[in-house]
Amino acid sequence: EPEVTQTPSHQVTQMGQEVILRCVPISNHLYFYWYRQILGQKVEFLVSFYNNEISEKSEIFDDQFSVERPDGSNFTLKIRSTKLEDSAMYFCASMRFTEAFFGQGTRLTVV
Amino acid sequence: AQSVTQPDIHITVSEGASLELRCNYSYGATPYLFWYVQSPGQGLQLLLKYFSGDTLVQGIKGFEAEFKRSQSSFNLRKPSVHWSDAAEYFCAVAPQGGNEKLTFGTGTRLTIIP
Repeated sequence: EPEVTQTPSHQVTQMGQEVILRCVPISNHLYFYWYRQILGQKVEFLVSFYNNEISEKSEIFDDQFSVERPDGSNFTLKIRSTKLEDSAMYFCASMRFTEAFFGQGTRLTVV
Repeated sequence: AQSVTQPDIHITVSEGASLELRCNYSYGATPYLFWYVQSPGQGLQLLLKYFSGDTLVQGIKGFEAEFKRSQSSFNLRKPSVHWSDAAEYFCAVAPQGGNEKLTFGTGTRLTIIP
């Protein structure tokens, strides 16, 4: 069964550093998403991406965040200068029509 | 704005007992409705979804959910839980039409006792 793959599974970074979280969506899917789950809280939408551009973003997704699909297969989330409050589980999802498939997540710890 | 409420933060159930997890939503129109499960350290797995038609939907792992328009609810049920059902359960909604972002509830943590 096709699946969404995220790397790394866990990343520890120092405050102020840049991080790139990587995702390989399911190949015939057209819509891609990043969600965030701060420990003990609900899963929150960050951004959606379609046709090589952002289609919607939440208020969380400020100028420190960016997404791109550099090579037609990978889908990345970059955080330019990490803050302590960026520590969370980040989920990538890809969607075709009505079902979103989620990756296993990347746990980001900012110290 | 749309919202999803899961009023039970934590539920403890004996193995073999029945289970019902509550979900209420606030939305302009009937949305698409979903239940996801998250096992410790794992991603989100879709249990079941409702788009239209029969208001009782069957999912994986023996779960079912019933959509009640009058109560804006989409409660998840299982007649007999297994120890492996211990996990976090999230209700989610999305606008009709497909390819839209999900709005999640805060989740219900399910603990199973012998």
